[in-house]
Amino acid sequence: GIQVEQSPPDLILQEGANSTLRCNFSDSVNNLQWFHQNPWGQLINLFYIPSGTKQNGRLSATTVATERYSLLYISSSQTTDSGVYFCAVVNSGYSTLTFGKGTMLLVSP
Amino acid sequence: DAGVIQSPRHEVTEMGQEVTLRCKPISGHNSLFWYRQTMMRGLELLIYFNNNVPIDDSGMPEDRFSAKMPNASFSTLKIQPSEPRDSAVYFCASSTRTVLSPQSYEQYFGPGTRLTVT
Repeated sequence: GIQVEQSPPDLILQEGANSTLRCNFSDSVNNLQWFHQNPWGQLINLFYIPSGTKQNGRLSATTVATERYSLLYISSSQTTDSGVYFCAVVNSGYSTLTFGKGTMLLVSP
Repeated sequence: DAGVIQSPRHEVTEMGQEVTLRCKPISGHNSLFWYRQTMMRGLELLIYFNNNVPIDDSGMPEDRFSAKMPNASFSTLKIQPSEPRDSAVYFCASSTRTVLSPQSYEQYFGPGTRLTVT
């Protein structure tokens, strides 16, 4: 099946710093989503972005499907950004999401 | 919209007992997914339904697990008998994707059910 690799596995930031999270996938996809799992365990949809670039406030994401990667940018990080960020993809020709192992982010005040 | 609704939010049971988890998808969504999250295996798909029909149950770990979707607004995941290794967070998700559509659509997750089997 499709492989999804996220980097870095862990990240510690000072409040106000910027960061870039990366997601590499091993095959063509027709769905890519970024999620934030908050400390209470909720999975929050950040972006549905099988290709192109989107922005939502301090967060933005870019997927280059032809090169099989996606980037999630967090600017001016806040303590509430802490949690685990997951990338998940649907392999073309299939129907179900495959998740990466996540990036655990800790933003300290 | 209320989003995907799951119940109970927490369940603690003893080994050997039957456990039933419930999910109400977002109104109008015709695909429903059950996932399990553990520290060892991360997030993995158990089963998904399209138009109330099970399409892929290859992720269901064994015969102790069963899932049903009697109508478009309700699904259950049952574990009988439960074992300590079933302890995990179980998520339900829904989307508007169809089997015949070449595209996949965004999935929305419920808050999860944290199951502890002692």
